[in-house]
This record gives sequence, C-alpha cells and structure tokens, in this order.
Amino acid sequence: EVQLVESGGGLVQPGGSLRLSCVVSGFTFNTYWMSWVRQAPGKGLEWVANIKQDGSEMYYVDSVKGRFTISRDNAKNSLYLQMNSLRAEDTAVYYCARGGVIRGRFDNWGQGTLVTVSS
Amino acid sequence: DIQMTQSPSSLSASVGDRVTITCRASQSISSYLNWYQQKPGKAPKLLIYATSTVQGGVPSRFSGSGSGTDFTLTISSLQPEDFATYYCQQSYSTPYSFGQGTRLEIK
Repeated sequence: EVQLVESGGGLVQPGGSLRLSCVVSGFTFNTYWMSWVRQAPGKGLEWVANIKQDGSEMYYVDSVKGRFTISRDNAKNSLYLQMNSLRAEDTAVYYCARGGVIRGRFDNWGQGTLVTVSS
Repeated sequence: DIQMTQSPSSLSASVGDRVTITCRASQSISSYLNWYQQKPGKAPKLLIYATSTVQGGVPSRFSGSGSGTDFTLTISSLQPEDFATYYCQQSYSTPYSFGQGTRLEIK
C-alpha cells in the first residue's frame, strides 16, 4: 500500500522558518518525481514545488521562489520542504504528493500538515 | 502561466442525477488535464488523468472528455459518496495550476 506521511507543521511567526518532511512507503521512491501542494484554509489547491527522481531538477511557483527549497533523500524515502521567510499568506495545509513530472499527475497524496504563520 | 477556470463554482444535485463540471484553460494544454475529488478534511484523490483515463479503483460513473482548452468531468448517476469538491489541474507546463474548485452539494 502506498503511504505518504507528512510532519513538521506548526505555528511560526512571520519571517520564521519551518522544515516539512514526508516519509513514503509502498513504492520505489527514487523512481518518481515528487511534489508539494498546499491549500490555504477554505481555499483551493496550489502546487508549490516539485523535484526530479535524482534531485537534479526542481521547480517552484513564483510566490515561494527564493524562500522555499524542496529536497529529497532517496536513502531515507523522504521528501522535504524547507520554508524560510514565512509570510501570513503561506498559512495552509501542505500536502506531499507523488508525481509532478511534466504532463503527469498527482496519483497519491499524504494526509497533509498544517502550517500557520501568525504572530 | 496557465489559468484554469471551473464552472460552476457550486452545484446542487440529487442522488441519481447526471452532473457535468466544466474546466477551461487560458491556453491550449492538449490533453494534459487531471481531475481530483476532495472531501472535507481529507486529501485530494485522483479521479481522471490525461483528460479521460479513469484512475484505478474509481467507479465507472466518472468520465472525462475534452481537448485543447475545454474539458468536462461527468458523473453519470450521482451517489451519496460523490458529494464533494472537484478540482481540475493542468500538467502541461509549470507552474502546474488548479481550477478554483466546484462544490457539489446535495439538493
């Protein structure tokens, strides 16, 4: 069974940092692109970033470029999102999703982890 | 960047009804259009990918069609478990973008 489990969310002050993690099981992690998708409270879905199987390519939505960094550790079956200079508008549930290759799809999702940016 | 627009934003329907949700892209995305279902407090679930391919385990009452800029998701006979929010998503180019969602409610 494919499983993706996020952790690391919480309350952080504006300007602060947080690192999200996603541990996966049930599939060969190093053969898939992976992504982060977020959802602000009561709002729709927004793709945040993706990363190639070997970590050699990463892409970001403009609103997080220069502040967020996606990475992965294939030996640990883990995906990460380092979030710096956090803003109130980054408040959202962050989902780890399998997929993100161009012309592809997000076929499995974690349960999400809530990030709240507030003073 | 490609903008995705869904209509309607909300829809009331009854069990057994046939329902169609429309998604329009701001430029051609060929057939690279996916549909997701999301229930309150849950993660999205992939229903259909590449416009019309139904994901494994998804009931056959769900179908998709379209190409270029105009796409539809059809539920042939609504079941109680289908009341949820539906999102389209283009995977033609980054930044990948989603529609704003269509909330399907019980009439």
